[in-house]
Amino acid sequence: AQSVTQPDIHITVSEGASLELRCNYSYGATPYLFWYVQSPGQGLQLLLKYFSGDTLVQGIKGFEAEFKRSQSSFNLRKPSVHWSDAAEYFCAVGSNDYKLSFGAGTTVTVRA
Amino acid sequence: KAGVTQTPRYLIKTRGQQVTLSCSPISGHRSVSWYQQTPGQGLQFLFEYFSETQRNKGNFPGRFSGRQFSNSRSEMNVSTLELGDSALYLCASSLAGFSYNEQFFGPGTRLTVL
Repeated sequence: AQSVTQPDIHITVSEGASLELRCNYSYGATPYLFWYVQSPGQGLQLLLKYFSGDTLVQGIKGFEAEFKRSQSSFNLRKPSVHWSDAAEYFCAVGSNDYKLSFGAGTTVTVRA
Repeated sequence: KAGVTQTPRYLIKTRGQQVTLSCSPISGHRSVSWYQQTPGQGLQFLFEYFSETQRNKGNFPGRFSGRQFSNSRSEMNVSTLELGDSALYLCASSLAGFSYNEQFFGPGTRLTVL
């Protein structure tokens, strides 16, 4: 069965600093990987996705993620964080049984 | 193109009652999935429908059920509500529900059970 681990429950970062959120997955087949962001009281918005090809993928809002098969990781990065990036971030893997499996999420706090 | 819509946005019910939540997918999307989000359990998959057929169901009791109509709109029903059913219920739609299809999420329905 597929699973996703996000080791960091909460990260605090200063505005303008870089951000990296970790994600490790377990899936037997080729993984389809996603990062979503959720602002308080809102649904999930897709930041980026990895299906195949270039292992560095670019997303919206200046985010990027790197797929590393050898480490079963799909870490999310942003070079310079803005106060509006404060939110909860979820890594997910798509499976052949028509569902997404999500990690527990990482809450990002941005301090001025 | 309009996004995924969910109604109602907020609901307050009491234990033992039943509730029906509605989801309208993005036009052209035929797969609708439902997820329950709670602080303790995170995001958990409830079920997925495609062309009015349930293709997968998560590990939830039979009190949770759903259906999909011919226009791809979906409803989920929870009978005999329990306090633990308080959650944000998210609906997502995609073209066909395959692992590589993007899922687009609605804003959710916040259910509070008293």
